[in-house]
Amino acid sequence: DIVMTQSPDSLAVSLGERATINCKSSQSVLYSSNNKNYLAWYQQKPGQPPKLLIYWASTRESGVPDRFSGSGSGTDFNLIISNLQAEDVAVYYCQQHYSTPPMFGQGTKVEIK
Amino acid sequence: QITLKESGPTLVKPTQTLTLTCTFSGFSLSTTGVGVGWIRQPPGKALEWLAIIYWNDDKSYSPSLKSRLTITKDTSKNHVVLTMTNMDPEDTATYYCVHRLNTNYFDYWGQGTLVTVSS
Repeated sequence: DIVMTQSPDSLAVSLGERATINCKSSQSVLYSSNNKNYLAWYQQKPGQPPKLLIYWASTRESGVPDRFSGSGSGTDFNLIISNLQAEDVAVYYCQQHYSTPPMFGQGTKVEIK
Repeated sequence: QITLKESGPTLVKPTQTLTLTCTFSGFSLSTTGVGVGWIRQPPGKALEWLAIIYWNDDKSYSPSLKSRLTITKDTSKNHVVLTMTNMDPEDTATYYCVHRLNTNYFDYWGQGTLVTVSS
């Protein structure tokens, strides 16, 4: 299994500032034949199911605000929330979709400072 | 518009078998590349992938739970059923039904159903 490790477990950011969440995989999720990183990010607000934000490490899902961006390759990835808004308070999960089982990180809780 | 909805018991006793049904609309599970899976989340904890069934009837299971899980589909009824045997209080969680297309990131989720395991 590919183990996903996120850091930090939680962070508090002021409104309008940037939040950066890191996700590391225990092995590369870069598929050499298509040069794509099989890494997704989700946002989960209290009492709601997770919502897909980003796939292929950096492709935003339709309707996701452009203040959400993903970067990284191989085993090291970041989710960046620029210009943090109050509605961005949530837990964020990374997930590898390179191999089965598709494993999730432990989650990062983002709060307002 | 793709929707998925989970149904099943909210309370099961230890050692019992849990049967959950995912009823979906807006897509066909006979379309190439489509899959429907299950993910659970214990209260206050992280997401755990359980199982998935694909358009061609291939199936995959969580290695740690494989002996307890069975996933099946009824394409004509737009249903996917997950059974989990020998339920334990540690299986208390919200169980989500999810959709995937071509690769295993999950673009649509049901609202989830909370299953409590208690005597």
